[in-house]
Amino acid sequence: SQQGEEDPQALSIQEGENATMNCSYKTSINNLQWYRQNSGRGLVHLILIRSNEREKHSGRLRVTLDTSKKSSSLLITASRAADTASYFCATPWGGATNKLIFGTGTLLAVQP
Amino acid sequence: DVKVTQSSRYLVKRTGEKVFLECVQDMDHENMFWYRQDPGLGLRLIYFSYDVKMKEKGDIPEGYSVSREKKERFSLILESASTNQTSMYLCASSQAGNQPQHFGDGTRLSIL
Repeated sequence: SQQGEEDPQALSIQEGENATMNCSYKTSINNLQWYRQNSGRGLVHLILIRSNEREKHSGRLRVTLDTSKKSSSLLITASRAADTASYFCATPWGGATNKLIFGTGTLLAVQP
Repeated sequence: DVKVTQSSRYLVKRTGEKVFLECVQDMDHENMFWYRQDPGLGLRLIYFSYDVKMKEKGDIPEGYSVSREKKERFSLILESASTNQTSMYLCASSQAGNQPQHFGDGTRLSIL
C-alpha cells in the first residue's frame, strides 16, 4: 500500500550545491509532508504543504506540490555536510485523516 | 518541544520470547503509532491508536499486538518473537488529524 515514492534513491553532492528530491504519489491528497532521518535516529518533520498550496519555504528548504501530476519536490539550497540524511515524503493513507504512508526515501550524502 | 521516548535503543531477545517495546509521549497527543523500518522497504505501519484503549491495524499487524491504557503510553508486544521480526522499531505521536508526527529515536531489535 505504498503511496509515495522518492526519486532518486540516493544522491551525492558537494557542500554548497543544491539538492533536489522528488516524490510521486498515487491518490488524491489533502497534504503532503517531508521528513528527515539521520542515520540510526528517528524521523524529524520538516514541512507540510497543503493541496491548495503550490510552494512553501522554510529556511533553506523549498517544497513544491503539483496535484495534477501527483508529485512534489524538496529542494535544499546551499547544502551542508550536516544535511546528510535520508529524506522521506509522506501522504495521508487513503481516506484516513490520521495515518500517513511513507515513501522509501532518498539518501542524501553531502561531501565536505 | 515534543518528546517521544522509547524505552530501549537496542534490544536482543531470543525466538519465542514475548517482547515489550514501550513508548511515552509528553504532549498529550491523541494519536500514537508503531512502525518498523527495514532496508529497501521504508516505514511500514504496524498499529495505530487514536485514543486510550482504541487501536487500528496497520499494514503489517501479524505477530504483533498493542496496548494503550494511558494516553501518553503506547506499547508494542511481540507475542512470540521470530527472527523475521528483527528490525528497527519507531514510535510516533501526533495531534488528531493529519498533523506532523513526532518520532522517538527507535529501538533496534535483534531476535536470535
